[in-house]
Amino acid sequence: AQKVTQAQTEISVVEKEDVTLDCVYETRDTTYYLFWYKQPPSGELVFLIRRNSFDEQNEISGRYSWNFQKSTSSFNFTITASQVVDSAVYFCALSEAGSWGKLQFGAGTQVVVTP
Amino acid sequence: EADIYQTPRYLVIGTGKKITLECSQTMGHDKMYWYQQDPGMELHLIHYSYGVNSTEKGDLSSESTVSRIRTEHFPLTLESARPSHTSQYLCASSWSYEQYFGPGTRLTVT
Repeated sequence: AQKVTQAQTEISVVEKEDVTLDCVYETRDTTYYLFWYKQPPSGELVFLIRRNSFDEQNEISGRYSWNFQKSTSSFNFTITASQVVDSAVYFCALSEAGSWGKLQFGAGTQVVVTP
Repeated sequence: EADIYQTPRYLVIGTGKKITLECSQTMGHDKMYWYQQDPGMELHLIHYSYGVNSTEKGDLSSESTVSRIRTEHFPLTLESARPSHTSQYLCASSWSYEQYFGPGTRLTVT
């Protein structure tokens, strides 16, 4: 069975602070995919990144960066110099290669950025 | 990036009514999904489809039904709405592993 844990329910920061969202996953498969999605107050889920299990290279996209560590089954997400527009719920998700694209979502982390 | 549309965006309806939530995508994605989500909470997969005439129930039991007669269209129907159906319903499509989501339908059953 696959499982995704986002232990942080809510994180509050002041603008320009960095914020790191934790994601720990469980899977028996050797091939799997990890994702991060952003859900702003409007409700739509926005795809941010996909990571393959065989590619542990970290990635940076603007103020966003992701740290994938298979040894600890973690896929953490950092927002650098946070802005008010970053306020949203962020979901980590897992898909096993044999699941035909079905996603298992974590419970989400609410990020609140205040000016 | 997929273009995926859901209508209506908001719906308030009385108990016992039949409703259909529409979902369409223009990218030709084979796979489509329906999720149910209470505000800010975890998403639960209720239905999915891998192509025309293919539909499966998801991990969360739901009284709703779906159909997939055309690749681009994946409507969800509730034959008799109840207050327990009040939630947000999100539709998604995919050609690979990442899913692209529509704006959602916020359903309130009174």
